[in-house]
Formats: sequence, C-alpha cells, structure tokens
Amino acid sequence: DVKVTQSSRYLVKRTGEKVFLECVQDMDHENMFWYRQDPGLGLRLIYFSYDVKMKEKGDIPEGYSVSREKKERFSLILESASTNQTSMYLCASSSQDRGNWDEQYFGPGTRLTVT
Amino acid sequence: KQEVTQIPAALSVPEGENLVLNCSFTDSAIYNLQWFRQDPGKGLTSLLLIQSSQREQTSGRLNASLDKSSGRSTLYIAASQPGDSATYLCACGNTGKLIFGQGTTLQVKP
Repeated sequence: DVKVTQSSRYLVKRTGEKVFLECVQDMDHENMFWYRQDPGLGLRLIYFSYDVKMKEKGDIPEGYSVSREKKERFSLILESASTNQTSMYLCASSSQDRGNWDEQYFGPGTRLTVT
Repeated sequence: KQEVTQIPAALSVPEGENLVLNCSFTDSAIYNLQWFRQDPGKGLTSLLLIQSSQREQTSGRLNASLDKSSGRSTLYIAASQPGDSATYLCACGNTGKLIFGQGTTLQVKP
C-alpha cells in the first residue's frame, strides 16, 4: 500500500513565524503535491514537484515556498505565517508510470492554525 | 481553465438505497478522472481512477463512469450503508495536476 505521511496532524503557530510542513512518501513516486483545503473553496494546488530539486507553482503559491532535496520528501514552507494561511494542508504523491498516470495518493492532512 | 462542478452539495438517503453522485467538467482534454472519499478532518482516499480511454471502472459496490464528450462523470453506489457517509470528491487530471470539484457530502441514515 502507498503510504504518505505528514509530520503533524495539528499545528498552532503565531503570526510571523516560519512554518515547515513535512511530507514523506514510501512508494518511490516521482511527483509530489501540496494542496490547501478551505470550506467553500475546495482543494487548491499550492506547489508541486516532478523530480528532486524541481518545483512548479500551482494555483496559489503566494506566501509559500517548497523544498525537495530527496525524492521521498517534499516540504512546504510558510516564510512568515499569516492568519489567512489557517487551513487544512494536504500532501499527495503519484507515479509517472503511464499506467498509473495522475492517480494521486494523499496523506492524512495537517490542520494549521495561525493566531 | 478547467472547472469541475459537483451537484448536489449534500445528499441524505436511507440505508440500502442505490444512489448516483454527479460530476461535470468544462474541458474535455483530460487524462483521467479520479473519485475520492474524505471523512471529516481526514485526508483523501482514492476510490476509483478512470483513464480518458476508459468508459467506467468498478470496485465492489462502486461504479464510476466517464463521458468525455459531454463532460460528465457519475459515481454509482449500490446498497448504501451508514459507513458510506462521507464527502465524495471528483477531480480531473491533466499532465499530473488535479482540478477538484467542491464535493458532495453524503449521509446514509440507518
């Protein structure tokens, strides 16, 4: 079974803090993704990566950065947390094998509250 | 720009009923369509993936269909159970990215 893990289920941070959200997958997937999920707005893509040290902006990258130093790990960084970044953050991974193209597997999510 | 819509936003049915969840999308140039289940406060669980060349996929009591020409997909749940209560999301895939609908929240009453 594919397993995607996220470092924290719940996180409370103060405005202005630098926040790191970590995601690890154990299936040797090439692709990794970070989404945020908000009521009424659904899931929105923040950043994604197709390979180590590679990153692409999604639909809402402002205020975020990412790091992918190893294939299995994809980190989301909030450089200076703000209250409007309070949200559920979901990490996902997928293979580039054509037969399984785009089937994404999700982690359990991190509920981040910025006060 | 791809837009994905799921109607209704919420649905309540008695246990044992067969039901259909709907998903529509505006751009037919998709690689695949994926259905997910999300329990409250949890991550997403992949239910079914339909490649663009396929018409349907089945897993147990679930059957998903895809009609690219009309921009529609349906998720059929047979003999619904209280344990099926959750939010169901569809997402269209293209070049590795997924565009999600807002979801349908299903409640199955015992």
